[in-house]
Amino acid sequence: DVKVTQSSRYLVKRTGEKVFLECVQDMDHENMFWYRQDPGLGLRLIYFSYDVKMKEKGDIPEGYSVSREKKERFSLILESASTNQTSMYLCASSLGRSLSNQPQHFGDGTRLSIL
Amino acid sequence: LAKTTQPISMDSYEGQEVNITCSHNNIATNDYITWYQQFPSQGPRFIIQGYKTKVTNEVASLFIPADRKSSTLSLPRVSLSDTAVYYCLVGFSGGYNKLIFGAGTRLAVHP
Repeated sequence: DVKVTQSSRYLVKRTGEKVFLECVQDMDHENMFWYRQDPGLGLRLIYFSYDVKMKEKGDIPEGYSVSREKKERFSLILESASTNQTSMYLCASSLGRSLSNQPQHFGDGTRLSIL
Repeated sequence: LAKTTQPISMDSYEGQEVNITCSHNNIATNDYITWYQQFPSQGPRFIIQGYKTKVTNEVASLFIPADRKSSTLSLPRVSLSDTAVYYCLVGFSGGYNKLIFGAGTRLAVHP
């Protein structure tokens, strides 16, 4: 069974801090994704990566960056955290080149609060 | 504008069939429709995926009309444990595969 592990379930940081959210998958998947989930808005794609060192912006990349130095690990970085980045962050992975034709496997999320 | 629309909430009773419809007018030609289930404090979990007509697995069916502008997730004989939020995910053309989740349908199953 695919396992996607996010390093923290809950995180509290202060405005202006640089924040790192880590995600690891154990199934050698090519694609990895970062979403944020907010009430009434569903899941919105921040960034995705289809290979090591490759990344593409999603719908809401502003204020975020990502890093994928190894195939199994995908990091989301908040360069200077702001209160409007308080949210649930979900990492996912999927197999193969096509982004929509393979099921995504999700971690259980990191609830991030920016004070 | 690429958009995926689904009802905000639905109520049902144990043993009934539940149908949740998702509208996606601008779906890309080669992209699939995928449904996920999410329980509180967990990430979404894959339920079913389809391209056209009908797909059935051990937990659900997915109906997709010929024009593919909508899709319907069908849950047969729901139980209390089916109470969850259900999301549809669709790909849209937009320079790269543009993935759009619906805002989710909160299904409440009552005894």
